[in-house]
Amino acid sequence: KAGVTQTPRYLIKTRGQQVTLSCSPISGHRSVSWYQQTPGQGLQFLFEYFSETQRNKGNFPGRFSGRQFSNSRSEMNVSTLELGDSALYLCASSLGQGLLGEQYFGPGTRLTVT
Amino acid sequence: SQKIEQNSEALNIQEGKTATLTCNYTNYSPAYLQWYRQDPGRGPVFLLLIRENEKEKRKERLKVTFDTTLKQSLFHITASQPADSATYLCALPGTGRRALTFGSGTRLQVQP
Repeated sequence: KAGVTQTPRYLIKTRGQQVTLSCSPISGHRSVSWYQQTPGQGLQFLFEYFSETQRNKGNFPGRFSGRQFSNSRSEMNVSTLELGDSALYLCASSLGQGLLGEQYFGPGTRLTVT
Repeated sequence: SQKIEQNSEALNIQEGKTATLTCNYTNYSPAYLQWYRQDPGRGPVFLLLIRENEKEKRKERLKVTFDTTLKQSLFHITASQPADSATYLCALPGTGRRALTFGSGTRLQVQP
């Protein structure tokens, strides 16, 4: 089975712009979670989607949003970018049944905001 | 508030020895705990999941223990190899159980 894929892998944006990141989960996985990873804060949960519904959201401002499509692919959007949004954005997929079990992570998108 | 602590200092050991990493948590009663490995510039890779009613779990050279009284998990790598060098993260279900909260990770360096 193909793993989790994320596009693009690298992105450079300017403050104030917006960005959309894409994630394709492992085939058959219906849950997609997004995480932000920075050296200072570590790996932090953004939100989780299952069957096109957001089931949980982390402690991030409303500039961070996401959605999931009927084929389980997910996108994440960050509007009005700030320098502090520079990070590695990771998505992870899982079967999504019951408790959130083991997560299968993609390679991440490295976002740099200048 | 919920808190997960992993030793932020790197752990350096000699090849062939057993590496032991610690994950402590407070204000949690997790149904399970997970361990991941992360290499630089890559996403974490799932290693093991241990449930609250399990004391110990093994997978090849890996062993995880889970003490809900001490609120601690220990992660062991036996017969360590330089290829085991990476950052190891523990994770517990977060608020509402539909999220994972990760520790900051411990970097392991295995010297040949």
